[in-house]
Amino acid sequence: DSGVTQTPKHLITATGQRVTLRCSPRSGDLSVYWYQQSLDQGLQFLIHYYNGEERAKGNILERFSAQQFPDLHSELNLSSLELGDSALYFCASSVDSGLAGADTQYFGPGTRLTVL
Amino acid sequence: KNQVEQSPQSLIILEGKNCTLQCNYTVSPFSNLRWYKQDTGRGPVSLTIMTFSENTKSNGRYTATLDADTKQSSLHITASQLSDSASYICVVSEGAAGNKLTFGGGTRVLVKP
Repeated sequence: DSGVTQTPKHLITATGQRVTLRCSPRSGDLSVYWYQQSLDQGLQFLIHYYNGEERAKGNILERFSAQQFPDLHSELNLSSLELGDSALYFCASSVDSGLAGADTQYFGPGTRLTVL
Repeated sequence: KNQVEQSPQSLIILEGKNCTLQCNYTVSPFSNLRWYKQDTGRGPVSLTIMTFSENTKSNGRYTATLDADTKQSSLHITASQLSDSASYICVVSEGAAGNKLTFGGGTRVLVKP
């Protein structure tokens, strides 16, 4: 158990819908990262938040957005869902010691999203 | 385009044997390189993290090497166990903050008794 929690575990929805995935980082961790893992593309970095502020963006679609709240939990919002958005979505947290991002990231168990 | 290439895509080894996985990258500017172990359907678990100045790092039976000049890394598994069956993913961080990660496609390792 990494100490990172994600809800829900599974989510089934229809195309065109909007969903929200939630992540609670490990106690004391200030950074939250979101990743998408699909069968054909492997793991892809989406976005990084540190203490409520966006720090870096990866291959995140405009239909997707995220935020980190004052209690440090984070939400990833996916809208206008398409079949291709079906994937495992992981969040990870780290202390972010400031050493150029070289601190260990602890991954949550993931949310499996199925878009029908 | 930043890329991380891993080889082989998969391999089968007998329990107790050693194996080496390869990672080549073109990510620039380089910040650090990580190896993760991922069991099917679960989140990745960090094995090692190496910065530019480090060329080897161990975590139990896992030893990672880094050659920043040739932009190559390897992960050596010693005396493999059945529990080593998993995907091993090489991840390279770019930029000054090192928080933009590019993932390799992974090597799927199957350890047989």
